[in-house]
Amino acid sequence: DAGITQSPRYKITETGRQVTLMCHQTWSHSYMFWYRQDLGHGLRLIYYSAAADITDKGEVPDGYVVSRSKTENFPLTLESATRSQTSVYFCASSESRSEAFFGQGTRLTVV
Amino acid sequence: KQEVTQIPAALSVPEGENLVLNCSFTDSAIYNLQWFRQDPGKGLTSLLLIQSSQREQTSGRLNASLDKSSGRSTLYIAASQPGDSATYLCAVLVLTNAGKSTFGDGTTLTVKP
Repeated sequence: DAGITQSPRYKITETGRQVTLMCHQTWSHSYMFWYRQDLGHGLRLIYYSAAADITDKGEVPDGYVVSRSKTENFPLTLESATRSQTSVYFCASSESRSEAFFGQGTRLTVV
Repeated sequence: KQEVTQIPAALSVPEGENLVLNCSFTDSAIYNLQWFRQDPGKGLTSLLLIQSSQREQTSGRLNASLDKSSGRSTLYIAASQPGDSATYLCAVLVLTNAGKSTFGDGTTLTVKP
């Protein structure tokens, strides 16, 4: 199916565990983004990528790692999950400075 | 740093009413502005994208306008329906920000039957 998909949709993990959230898009968009959405904070950018092998920090990058070896994939890794990383995570993609499209989100709970 | 504000935070209207949602931004050097809809527990759905050279965009019952000089955009919803109930967010892409949009906190709309 065309579009942008995230997996898993729901994840519960323990403090200190490593977790990887997956994002895949089928449009070959140059830009990909990871956001977290929390009550009271709105959408905050974690990391973004302008092309394969090019990534940069957003507003709240601490505790997260990204990679982009292929244009269509942009995984987000929590190296050692903390309770403060409990959130809803959204992946998005866009062609350069054009309309952005979002995935359905991953609801992550760290216990 | 670009700041985006959406007022009101919540709005409740009776079905059939025409309504306006507001989005204001502090840096007028923008590339585009995008309106999204988010249903509870769902992702963001793109509604309208306005390029900086445009004044407005229309899609069905939705009309979005852009006034860069005053740092404002409005989303007009005609003949509102209960199915329009959702949170509406605007996002602004600044010219100097390498593809990163700044989002407002959204307006939560409830349309009562």
